[in-house]
Amino acid sequence: DAGITQSPRYKITETGRQVTLMCHQTWSHSYMFWYRQDLGHGLRLIYYSAAADITDKGEVPDGYVVSRSKTENFPLTLESATRSQTSVYFCASSVGIAGGRETQYFGPGTRLLVL
Amino acid sequence: AQSVTQLDSQVPVFEEAPVELRCNYSSSVSVYLFWYVQYPNQGLQLLLKYLSGSTLVKGINGFEAEFNKSQTSFHLRKPSVHISDTAEYFCAVSGDDYKLSFGAGTTVTVRA
Repeated sequence: DAGITQSPRYKITETGRQVTLMCHQTWSHSYMFWYRQDLGHGLRLIYYSAAADITDKGEVPDGYVVSRSKTENFPLTLESATRSQTSVYFCASSVGIAGGRETQYFGPGTRLLVL
Repeated sequence: AQSVTQLDSQVPVFEEAPVELRCNYSSSVSVYLFWYVQYPNQGLQLLLKYLSGSTLVKGINGFEAEFNKSQTSFHLRKPSVHISDTAEYFCAVSGDDYKLSFGAGTTVTVRA
């Protein structure tokens, strides 16, 4: 049971470059989420998706783009990376039938450093 | 909208001692409350959650939490910690939609 995977696990890039973080889940969960984790802020929601081709903004969407052409994949793109986007990024998924009651299942995270 | 405040950013504790992590929430609607744990260099995993019913919720690894509606709290406890409980703990709240709001986290360091 592969669960939810993220790639790459570590990434160093430079300011202004485009970076794509990948997220893949094998459970056929409807909902998928992207969070960033910064010291003192906990996890903040960037974008989420209710199903293929349905995405919506979270708390901190500026500078990020998402797509979801297939249920199992939810890539996050930084169109022009900035130093403030240095963070740990977590992808998560949930079944999608019970609203706020549901457990979210998290990937192992991607550590991104923008120089 | 919901929000969460974790009252302690760091909690050092000796092995086999009890620990309590404090969490307060604010919400204008019904809430569901969660505690997640993040072990070093890993993703988050669910410890326990409160949906409804009994206010005392038992989770994995001997943890439990008590929902207190009047004090808008959801404190996490464990009567005797192990070295392996060293981790970061996050309290989170959701409403009827799928969006979770997390607290800033509490780092628990267990010393022998």
